[in-house]
Amino acid sequence: DIQMTQSPSSVSASVGDRVTITCRASQGISSWLAWYQQKPGKAPKLLIYAASSLQSGVPSRFSGSGSGTDFTLTISSLQPEDFATYYCQQANSFPPTFGQGTKLEIK
Amino acid sequence: QVQLVQSGAEVKKPGASVKVSCKASGYTFTSYYMHWVRQAPGQGLEWMGIINPSGGSTSYAQKLQGRVTMTRDTSTSTVYMELSSLRSEDTAVYYCARSPTGVDTAMVLDYWGQGTLVTVSS
Repeated sequence: DIQMTQSPSSVSASVGDRVTITCRASQGISSWLAWYQQKPGKAPKLLIYAASSLQSGVPSRFSGSGSGTDFTLTISSLQPEDFATYYCQQANSFPPTFGQGTKLEIK
Repeated sequence: QVQLVQSGAEVKKPGASVKVSCKASGYTFTSYYMHWVRQAPGQGLEWMGIINPSGGSTSYAQKLQGRVTMTRDTSTSTVYMELSSLRSEDTAVYYCARSPTGVDTAMVLDYWGQGTLVTVSS
């Protein structure tokens, strides 16, 4: 199975800040990477697929980049509703696997 | 609008089985795959398996092989996930999640159910 490693595991930031989360795959996955946002007690929500394609309805302050083994999720200007846990997931080969999550907290 | 509505919370004893349902609406049921993903308390996301509602074919995570069964009922647009020989480590929130059937999107989970808490305790 492909292992996905996110960093950092947690990050504190303020409203208006720019935040970047990274995700590394244990082997090349081309651009087959998705990002999800999860708020406490809620189901994950798809933000980005194919590394950089924004899911319909997701604000444009979210963006993704990368290919091969290294990927990033960037939130350009944090809003109060963005404080949540973020997961990357490889969609290159079965079984799909997730990173351990990055918790974004208010500073 | 797309909706995936799951059955309610369950409490089971070790060794028992649980069957969770996921009723789909707002789209053509047989045109999308359905996955099951679970999340233990305070932990990350773990993929469990996939079912193709069109033909009923399935593929399961290796660690759950022999204990998990996914089925579907096309007449009610419902998929089911049954997990047997439950142990305390199976305590988790179980989610169903839809994916398109394209080669490049078959593992992109675009809509999720609300989750079903399964507690395994003696």
